[in-house]
Amino acid sequence: EDQVTQSPEALRLQEGESSSLNCSYTVSGLRGLFWYRQDPGKGPEFLFTLYSAGEEKEKERLKATLTKKESFLHITAPKPEDSATYLCAVMDTGRRALTFGSGTRLQVQP
Amino acid sequence: GAVVSQHPSRVICKSGTSVKIECRSLDFQATTMFWYRQFPKQSLMLMATSNEGSKATYEQGVEKDKFLINHASLTLSTLTVTSAHPEDSSFYICSARKDGGNEQFFGPGTRLTVL
Repeated sequence: EDQVTQSPEALRLQEGESSSLNCSYTVSGLRGLFWYRQDPGKGPEFLFTLYSAGEEKEKERLKATLTKKESFLHITAPKPEDSATYLCAVMDTGRRALTFGSGTRLQVQP
Repeated sequence: GAVVSQHPSRVICKSGTSVKIECRSLDFQATTMFWYRQFPKQSLMLMATSNEGSKATYEQGVEKDKFLINHASLTLSTLTVTSAHPEDSSFYICSARKDGGNEQFFGPGTRLTVL
């Protein structure tokens, strides 16, 4: 059974204070690992897909990395508008559905 | 782009009534769509996988006779909550996968409240 564990559960940063979110996963075979951002009361917004260990993707202040057991979402010099819940999900090679972690609630204070 | 819409965004109904939620991919075709449920401060739980032109595949513990799914075209899937009860109150979110791709693009969600 696929499992995804995200840490920390919640993170409070000051504006400009860089940090990383962790996503540990267990799958029989990884088809892809996905990062999403979710604002309260809205559907998740797609951020990145990572397919193989060593791969990195960047978008503005966000950078996602992948190893064989975990993924990190690095946030550089965050701004208050980066406040949201960040969700990690995996898709294994046996199916097309996603298994989500419980998310990290990020709050960036001005 | 990859835009997915849901309608309605919010619905309040009486116990025992049925509610239909629509999910549309606006600018791409989606043979496969997914329905999720999210309770407050929890993550998304997959309910079922919807395939155009065939029966949906339900996750373990999800009653297929209660949550009816129809995927009649490459851009539209519907979820009908039959005989809704207060415990069905939740945030229902659909997603659509572009044909040939792996990424799922999510709709804005539907807040269902059953009184």
